[in-house]
Amino acid sequence: GAVVSQHPSRVICKSGTSVKIECRSLDFQATTMFWYRQFPKQSLMLMATSNEGSKATYEQGVEKDKFLINHASLTLSTLTVTSAHPEDSSFYICSASRMNTEAFFGQGTRLTVV
Amino acid sequence: AQKITQTQPGMFVQEKEAVTLDCTYDTSDPSYGLFWYKQPSSGEMIFLIYQGSYDQQNATEGRYSLNFQKARKSANLVISASQLGDSAMYFCAMRNNYGQNFVFGPGTRLSVLP
Repeated sequence: GAVVSQHPSRVICKSGTSVKIECRSLDFQATTMFWYRQFPKQSLMLMATSNEGSKATYEQGVEKDKFLINHASLTLSTLTVTSAHPEDSSFYICSASRMNTEAFFGQGTRLTVV
Repeated sequence: AQKITQTQPGMFVQEKEAVTLDCTYDTSDPSYGLFWYKQPSSGEMIFLIYQGSYDQQNATEGRYSLNFQKARKSANLVISASQLGDSAMYFCAMRNNYGQNFVFGPGTRLSVLP
C-alpha cells in the first residue's frame, strides 16, 4: 500500500533555532499534503494544506511566518518551524492521499524545544 | 461545517470481548467518507476501516466492522475479540468527497484488560 514517510521522528532543539520536518509520499504523487499538530491527549488539529507548486493554505490562528511550508515536488512537502520556542513543542504529523481514498500518515515528529 | 463527536473519552474492555466505540457526525454534504484510525503510543496513525456515504452495506475489515446508521449520522466502530494490542487511541474522521482534508473527532482511549 501507499506509504508516507516523515523525518525526523524526534528532534530536540534550542529555543530560537529553526527545525525542518520532511514528509514524503513514497509510491504515489501527492498534489496535496496536510500538516497536523497534536497536543498531548488531544486530537489532530489541521495546521495547513500544502499544495504542490503554490502557496500553502493555513488554518485560522496558525502563523504562516512561523510555520513555513514548502511543497516543491509531488512527493515532498516540508514544514519549517522558525525561531522555535518551548510552546511550539508538540507532535507534528503529515498526511497525503489520493482522491477518495484513506489518508496515509507519516510517522509523526515529536518536537521538543528547550 | 463538518463535525465529529466521540462521546467516550475512555473505554475498558476485557480481552476477547467485543467493544463498540461511538462516533456521530454532522455534515451538509451529500457525499462523504467516514474513517477510523488507531493511534498507539508510538504516535503513528493506522488506518482501520472506511465507509462511504452511499455504501449500502456496513464496512468490515477483519475484526473491525463499522455500524453505519446514516439517518442517525452515526458510524460506530465495533472491535470483536479484543486483543491486548488493541489498546490505543481511536479516532473517527470524516472527509467530504470534494476535498481531501479530514476532520477528526476528539478520540477514545481504549484499554484492553487481560
